Amino acid sequence: DQQVKQNSPSLSVQEGRISILNCDYTNSMFDYFLWYKKYPAEGPTFLISISSIKDKNEDGRFTVFLNKSAKHLSLHIVPSQPGDSAVYFCAARGNAGNMLTFGGGTRLMVKP
Amino acid sequence: GAVVSQHPSWVICKSGTSVKIECRSLDFQATTMFWYRQFPKQSLMLMATSNEGSKATYEQGVEKDKFLINHASLTLSTLTVTSAHPEDSSFYICSAIPQGGTGANVLTFGAGSRLTVL
Repeated sequence: DQQVKQNSPSLSVQEGRISILNCDYTNSMFDYFLWYKKYPAEGPTFLISISSIKDKNEDGRFTVFLNKSAKHLSLHIVPSQPGDSAVYFCAARGNAGNMLTFGGGTRLMVKP
Repeated sequence: GAVVSQHPSWVICKSGTSVKIECRSLDFQATTMFWYRQFPKQSLMLMATSNEGSKATYEQGVEKDKFLINHASLTLSTLTVTSAHPEDSSFYICSAIPQGGTGANVLTFGAGSRLTVL
């Protein structure tokens, strides 16, 4: 049972345009959501997070939106840069402990 | 910032041998470390939670006798894949939380260890 899903395995965007990565979850007990960026043969690096009490969090070019009623979150990157090309994982945390449940990842390719 | 080091980064072994992967927190103490496994083009699957000085907590479906976890100190956790077989070939990643740290965003991941079993 996949509690966190990223339905788009890949996304291709032109440099300078907006990249929108989507993530859906089923467990209403998740209270904290995170996005990680991962390059090949490297560990994930934390990008941005959002608490379930908020609906938006912005950090530079990265904005995460949370729609609790739809159990949906998205990561917006604008403007997209070639260096943003990587696999992006969304992750969710339950309200006990720091265990994370990851989505399947979306490979973003930003074309120059 | 917090750094987690994994060693080896890549190991190739023969079927039937055991392989040990180390996860070290270089500049902080970690009471809790997590071990993940990633299959090609798939998500990170939590295997177990490793707590310093106590037995690891394994996720459902993960064989504890197959994947031995030892967290003997506040800076080191090891994962030993015993009697490895080709189906154990995967990318193993550890993560750690600084002692006293709160919030999942303080999780720091290692660079991962690729295991190839021939």
